[in-house]
Parts: sequence; C-alpha cells; structure tokens
Amino acid sequence: QKEVEQNSGPLSVPEGAIASLNCTYSDRGSQSFFWYRQYSGKSPELIMSIYSNGDKEDGRFTAQLNKASQYVSLLIRDSQPSDSATYLCASSANQAGTALIFGKGTTLSVSS
Amino acid sequence: EAGVTQSPTHLIKTRGQQATLRCSPISGHTSVYWYQQALGLGLQFLLWYDEGEERNRGNFPPRFSGRQFPNYSSELNVNALELEDSALYLCASRDSGGPNTQYFGPGTRLTVL
Repeated sequence: QKEVEQNSGPLSVPEGAIASLNCTYSDRGSQSFFWYRQYSGKSPELIMSIYSNGDKEDGRFTAQLNKASQYVSLLIRDSQPSDSATYLCASSANQAGTALIFGKGTTLSVSS
Repeated sequence: EAGVTQSPTHLIKTRGQQATLRCSPISGHTSVYWYQQALGLGLQFLLWYDEGEERNRGNFPPRFSGRQFPNYSSELNVNALELEDSALYLCASRDSGGPNTQYFGPGTRLTVL
C-alpha cells in the first residue's frame, strides 16, 4: 500500500515566523512530489512541485526533498494569517500520468 | 487562461439515485483525473482519462464510472448512491506532454440523503 504520511496538526505559528510542514512517503518508486494548499471548503491549489533531491525556492516557499530518507518538507517564511489553510503533500511514480497519492494534510494556523 | 471548471457546484441526491458530475479541463490539457475527498479520508483517486480512454481507476466499486468526450471534457457517474458517497468530488487536468502536475477544479459537493 503506497502511502503519504503527514502530521495532521494543527501547527500554530505567529505571524512572521517560519512554518515547517513535513511529509514522508512509502513508495521508493515515487519521483514527483507536490505541495497543495487547501482553504476550508475550497479545492486544492498547487504551491510547488519538486523532483530532485535538495531545495527548491519560490518566493516565501521552499520545498525540500530527501529521497534517501523518503522525506519531503515545505517551509513558509514570513508566515501570514492568509497562509492559514490545510497543506496537502502528494507524490506520484515516474510513469507519465499516474495518479497522485495524497497525505491527509496538515492544518496550519498563523496568528496575528 | 481559464482553469478547470466543474458543474454543478452542489448536488443533493437520495440513496439509490444516480449522480452525474461534469468537468472541463484547462485548454490544451487532454488528461482528466477524478478524486473523491470524503471527510476524514483525504483525497482518493477515482479515475483517469486521457485521449478519450480510461487509463486507470482507483479502488472504487464499478458503480463509479465515467467517460471523456472528444473535446476532453469528462463526466463522472455514480450509480446506486450510498450515504458514504457524500463527499467533495474534484476534477484535475494535466498537460499530457508535460510533467505530472495536476490542476484542480473547484469541485462538486455531493450530498446523499
């Protein structure tokens, strides 16, 4: 059974702090990893994708991938109250078009 | 560029009825995926269509079915509705020539009474 595990939270951070979200996956064949943000009652919105070991930065967001440890993380710098949402980690195998496997998400709360 | 669209936004049915949900992908995307997000269960993969063909399905019973039309839009049909089918149904599309990056529509909230 291929799984993606996330701590459900809630993760509470003050405004301006760094929020660190973590994810582990069970399938060593996973090659692509994605972070989605989902506001309550809304659909998932893609934040970042990462395919290679190391860090990938996009604005206030940094995704980190360690395939040896089967570990993916998302750092949000200068957290804002508008970042309060559920963050979903997803993985997929290398074959083109395979379905994404999602974790259940981590709820982030940023207090002003 | 318009995103993925889904209709209807909300759908209320009773047990035993059939539901039909519709999805239009991003222009130029030929792959459409359907996911179910039930309370407490996370997103579960239902079906994948590409170029009009069903390419893969998740661990759901046959009463969940669908199709993809020549214009790459898709519909999901759920027959013999059960109470546990109540969920947010999400459609995602992907550019078949690119990486496996999937973009989601706003979803259809199905309530089975």
